[in-house]
Amino acid sequence: RKEVEQDPGPFNVPEGATVAFNCTYSNSASQSFFWYRQDCRKEPKLLMSVYSSGNEDGRFTAQLNRASQYISLLIRDSKLSDSATYLCVAPRASGGTSYGKLTFGQGTILTVHP
Amino acid sequence: GAVVSQHPSRVICKSGTSVKIECRSLDFQATTMFWYRQFPKQSLMLMATSNEGSKATYEQGVEKDKFLINHASLTLSTLTVTSAHPEDSSFYICSAFRTGREAFFGQGTRLTVV
Repeated sequence: RKEVEQDPGPFNVPEGATVAFNCTYSNSASQSFFWYRQDCRKEPKLLMSVYSSGNEDGRFTAQLNRASQYISLLIRDSKLSDSATYLCVAPRASGGTSYGKLTFGQGTILTVHP
Repeated sequence: GAVVSQHPSRVICKSGTSVKIECRSLDFQATTMFWYRQFPKQSLMLMATSNEGSKATYEQGVEKDKFLINHASLTLSTLTVTSAHPEDSSFYICSAFRTGREAFFGQGTRLTVV
């Protein structure tokens, strides 16, 4: 099983839609997870951190289910500017600096159209 | 503003030459930095961990003699791609973890070897 595995997508949704991305992880000892957003040919930028059962920031909600080793990201009222690749990220299973050494999922491409 | 600066953002070089990429933490000290590589339509893969004042540690399958890492100060790590070949063409990104915060990424370097 891959350390971090994501819904491959791509997702094409109209403006205003609600869309959810799923992610599973293999290291049950991981305490924190992250959703990053990456625009084409740019560096990843942190969208949300998830430390407990979930986190909400405006239109974005991240949920963590430790029993199922599952993380989700929900985007409500999608905007055109939400179009990007969303990366599910976990600390590396092999140790090291927890928040520095990261394992990235393969990413889910979201396109929001008018 | 950016807290991790990477330079150059884009470089084209001839096959067989070497290319140096710099990664700087702008307003904090980073004893550890990380180098990732991203091929088209793939996610970021950790290449190596750069340790200030000591040798870098490389991930399995990454040639340490080809990808030379130097971390001579608390704010600068360099990655040198030696004897570059077309298959080394990729997007290289560094990151540094700021204590108590998340990992910050440089802007990335798009390397094209012709």
